[in-house]
Amino acid sequence: AQKVTQAQTEISVVEKEDVTLDCVYETRDTTYYLFWYKQPPSGELVFLIRRNSFDEQNEISGRYSWNFQKSTSSFNFTITASQVVDSAVYFCALSEIGGTALIFGKGTTLSVSS
Amino acid sequence: EAQVTQNPRYLITVTGKKLTVTCSQNMNHEYMSWYRQDPGLGLRQIYYSMNVEVTDKGDVPEGYKVSRKEKRNFPLILESPSPNQTSLYFCASSHRGVSSYNEQFFGPGTRLTVL
Repeated sequence: AQKVTQAQTEISVVEKEDVTLDCVYETRDTTYYLFWYKQPPSGELVFLIRRNSFDEQNEISGRYSWNFQKSTSSFNFTITASQVVDSAVYFCALSEIGGTALIFGKGTTLSVSS
Repeated sequence: EAQVTQNPRYLITVTGKKLTVTCSQNMNHEYMSWYRQDPGLGLRQIYYSMNVEVTDKGDVPEGYKVSRKEKRNFPLILESPSPNQTSLYFCASSHRGVSSYNEQFFGPGTRLTVL
């Protein structure tokens, strides 16, 4: 059965610290898709990144980077030099070939203080 | 502008009073879905629709109904709301569902409180 685990419920850091949000997934499919979403205090879901299972290349977008490792079934998200505006709930999600839903982790609440 | 809209954005109601949360998308997407978000539980799917007149249950369908009479609209109906349906609700749409590389577009969310 498919599952996404975000073991870190809450993380608190001080501005300019680097922070990594962990995501571990379970799936029997060889083709699947992984996502990260950000939910700021205003409540909407903001799409951050999408990865398919055949693309293990790490990605960097400004201060954000993602490390996808199939060997450990992990898709971790790192924010470099965190800022107060990064404070949000972050969700990792999985979809499978033949699936009918995005499977979300329970989310990690990141608080960045100045 | 490509978007998914939901109405209302906020609703406070009482137990047993029927309500409908509307969802509309302007991208001609075949797939639409409803999720609810609860603290510590993440988002869980309520119902989904692969196309007009095709709907099916997700993980937590009890107490909800949906319909898909037109491609653009996918209303969520609570016939007799109860306090355990107090939650944040999201509608989503995409081409061809989640089993593809297509991006899911989410609505802004509807915060429902049932007293």
